[in-house]
Amino acid sequence: QKEVEQNSGPLSVPEGAIASLNCTYSDRVSQSFFWYRQYSGKSPELIMSIYSNGDKEDGRFTAQLNKASQYVSLLIRDSQPSDSATYLCAVNHGSSNTGKLIFGQGTTLQVKP
Amino acid sequence: NAGVMQNPRHLVRRRGQEARLRCSPMKGHSHVYWYRQLPEEGLKFMVYLQKENIIDESGMPKERFSAEFPKEGPSILRIQQVVRGDSAAYFCASSPPDGYEQYFGPGTRLTVT
Repeated sequence: QKEVEQNSGPLSVPEGAIASLNCTYSDRVSQSFFWYRQYSGKSPELIMSIYSNGDKEDGRFTAQLNKASQYVSLLIRDSQPSDSATYLCAVNHGSSNTGKLIFGQGTTLQVKP
Repeated sequence: NAGVMQNPRHLVRRRGQEARLRCSPMKGHSHVYWYRQLPEEGLKFMVYLQKENIIDESGMPKERFSAEFPKEGPSILRIQQVVRGDSAAYFCASSPPDGYEQYFGPGTRLTVT
């Protein structure tokens, strides 16, 4: 079992729809969770961090965390073609914030005009 | 406020040569991380450094790779006697002393011929 798992996609949604990206992780004691966006040929860009169970909203983005189910998700409302990218889920390794991020393989999102 | 800076952005080396990759963290950040992204693979943690200290090098290959973050100047990732399998994008990230969020630089794309 991979430490951080994501569906590779591509996930295709029409412009204006809600895109839902999912991630599961295996390390039960992990405390910090992050979503990065990576355009082709570019570096990862941090878009959300979440540390507590529940929802965290920032503009069109909502991160959801369920530590009991070891599940973290990202919702993108009113999806735009510019949101088309690979979304990487990252989990901080271990029970304390050790600095070591474990990344999933990423989900490719395509937003069609 | 300048972001994480990396240079060179592109580096070509012949097999057997040495590669030196440099990273300057964001202003106010004292923690530096190096990650490698192989073609068609995910981001993999390599090493976590603070000034003059290696905190976690669990992701570093045992041979040919070394990293440092001196008291003055940028962090350096050094690869000796490069092989074709070292061809990848190498990303540096930094975080503040009291935060867990990591911000990535533009990366160095290493090509070994």
